[in-house]
Amino acid sequence: GENVEQHPSTLSVQEGDSAVIKCTYSDSASNYFPWYKQELGKRPQLIIDIRSNVGEKKDQRIAVTLNKTAKHFSLHITETQPEDSAVYFCAATDSWGKLQFGAGTQVVVTP
Amino acid sequence: ETGVTQSPTHLIKTRGQQVTLRCSSQSGHNTVSWYQQALGQGPQFIFQYYREEENGRGNFPPRFSGLQFPNYSSELNVNALELDDSALYLCASSPGTSGNTGELFFGEGSRLTVL
Repeated sequence: GENVEQHPSTLSVQEGDSAVIKCTYSDSASNYFPWYKQELGKRPQLIIDIRSNVGEKKDQRIAVTLNKTAKHFSLHITETQPEDSAVYFCAATDSWGKLQFGAGTQVVVTP
Repeated sequence: ETGVTQSPTHLIKTRGQQVTLRCSSQSGHNTVSWYQQALGQGPQFIFQYYREEENGRGNFPPRFSGLQFPNYSSELNVNALELDDSALYLCASSPGTSGNTGELFFGEGSRLTVL
């Protein structure tokens, strides 16, 4: 089945700096790669996603890149702000089309 | 548009008991997925329901079972509770046309503590 690995588990950045989170997946049939943000005690919410026919997608300060050959994808947050502090999860569809999640990255943005 | 709602929000059970968690999907969504999120971990896929039929199952034992109703709401039942079942249980709905997952819309979750 699909195995999604996510690194790092924690990431501390200064406000204004960039943050990068990396994920790898195992199932070559995966075709959908979303990123979710979960604030403490809240539900996970989609922040950006990418499909396998695209290599990069950007939405304001957030971008995602996908390398299907290497089976990895990354989340990039530029000009980080304190409100970016949260846990971020990557996910990938398995061969049945079901989303499998990484273990999460705790991002802390310090003023 | 009403989002995904789950009940109860918190509950405490003892080992060996049974629990039922409920989920109302977002309006217009016919697919419901259930995830277990242990503290400090990512959500783990339990199963998915599409048009009242189970449409995929993760690596969970048979004591985890579910239902989906004609209005697309859903229940997760867990029998013979174990301490390791303590977790946040997340329900997510999606407007799947074939039962396969695109964007998931999560509820706030039901936090289960097993003593």
